[in-house]
Amino acid sequence: DAGVTQSPTHLIKTRGQQVTLRCSPKSGHDTVSWYQQALGQGPQFIFQYYEEEERQRGNFPDRFSGHQFPNYSSELNVNALLLGDSALYLCASSPSQGNYGYTFGSGTRLTVV
Amino acid sequence: EDQVTQSPEALRLQEGESSSLNCSYTVSGLRGLFWYRQDPGKGPEFLFTLYSAGEEKEKERLKATLTKKESFLHITAPKPEDSATYLCAVQASDSWGKLQFGAGTQVVVTP
Repeated sequence: DAGVTQSPTHLIKTRGQQVTLRCSPKSGHDTVSWYQQALGQGPQFIFQYYEEEERQRGNFPDRFSGHQFPNYSSELNVNALLLGDSALYLCASSPSQGNYGYTFGSGTRLTVV
Repeated sequence: EDQVTQSPEALRLQEGESSSLNCSYTVSGLRGLFWYRQDPGKGPEFLFTLYSAGEEKEKERLKATLTKKESFLHITAPKPEDSATYLCAVQASDSWGKLQFGAGTQVVVTP
């Protein structure tokens, strides 16, 4: 049973560029959340997608945007990259019905230079 | 605003030396409190969800407990493979899906 898969695993971008990260949720899960984790810190909630719409958003600027596709997979887009955007980006999926549990992927390590 | 504070920041244990990690929280109504384990460079791995004060859950050498203001993760007779960062998170009752995480406790177990 495949868990949450994220791609790419590592990425290096230049300040000012744009980046797209991808996530495939665990089988049977239809809700996807994105988190940013800086070194030595806990994950910070960016937003959650359900039924192809952003359902809840954390304290992140509009440079961070996302999308959910009909097959429940999701993308995180970050525009105008800043050095401070360097972090581990985590995707978590969960079922919308029944006992919920949040399953995390291994993340994408983004380095902005 | 929901807040989660974990202590200590780091813990070094000898193999077999039991200890407890603390997670203090403030939240406007608790939907659930989560414990995760995270290895370096990896995503968090789910351990437990606790829903109400007095609840306890166990898994191998780990036991999680919950009160109205804090949760404890007890590690009994730890082994080197228990070395990891342990993260605590809360979900508020009015939240669709946001987990508010603490900064974690880094545990190192030496043989």
